[in-house]
Amino acid sequence: QLVLTQSPSASASLGASVKLTCTLSSGHSSYAIAWHQRQPEKGPRYLMKLNSDGSHNKGDGIPDRFSGSSSGAERYLTISSLQSEDEADYYCQTWGTGIWVFGGGTKLTVL
Amino acid sequence: QVQLVESGGGVVQPGGSLRLSCAASGFTFSSYGMHWVRQAPGKGLEWVAFIRYDGSNKYYADSVKGRFTISRDNSKNTLYLQMNSLRTEDTAVYYCAKGGDYMDVWGKGTTVTVSS
Repeated sequence: QLVLTQSPSASASLGASVKLTCTLSSGHSSYAIAWHQRQPEKGPRYLMKLNSDGSHNKGDGIPDRFSGSSSGAERYLTISSLQSEDEADYYCQTWGTGIWVFGGGTKLTVL
Repeated sequence: QVQLVESGGGVVQPGGSLRLSCAASGFTFSSYGMHWVRQAPGKGLEWVAFIRYDGSNKYYADSVKGRFTISRDNSKNTLYLQMNSLRTEDTAVYYCAKGGDYMDVWGKGTTVTVSS
């Protein structure tokens, strides 16, 4: 069964970096994912597609502070030089034949 | 610019029906697959349904299969979600999103409340 697992919460200080993790279920470690951001009171925003080899394609207007990487079944989203507007929920998402799956989301708090 | 605007949300009783619309602009609507995704209060994002660019294939989450129908009118650049036999657990903000494997443009959502 295709499942994505995310930690419910993360926190980091203003100006620091944070690395969020999304883990693919057993047997799906080669899958690509997408990262999405949902800021309070706003619709979701596509950040990037992240492949198993770590290559990624960012959405239009996504700052260079956002980057992705991969290791085995883990997919990472790193946000550097954290700003207050980065405080949001971050979701990973993947797909199979006729099915699309979201992780449970990570709530990022910027201290 | 690329824009998706949902409408049609509201309050409906359990067992009732509602039709959501999503008006697309700024891109060639007829060339892209489209999704509906929802977020219930206090919960995460949940994929609901997908339709191919030409409407030839449709897929649904198990939670809505047999009750919801996704459709599109490429002449009107509009995506639809017909929701029947609504349940309290269908209460959510419903987003339309452009894309195939992944959603690369999102709307701002429309709120559906199922309550007696």
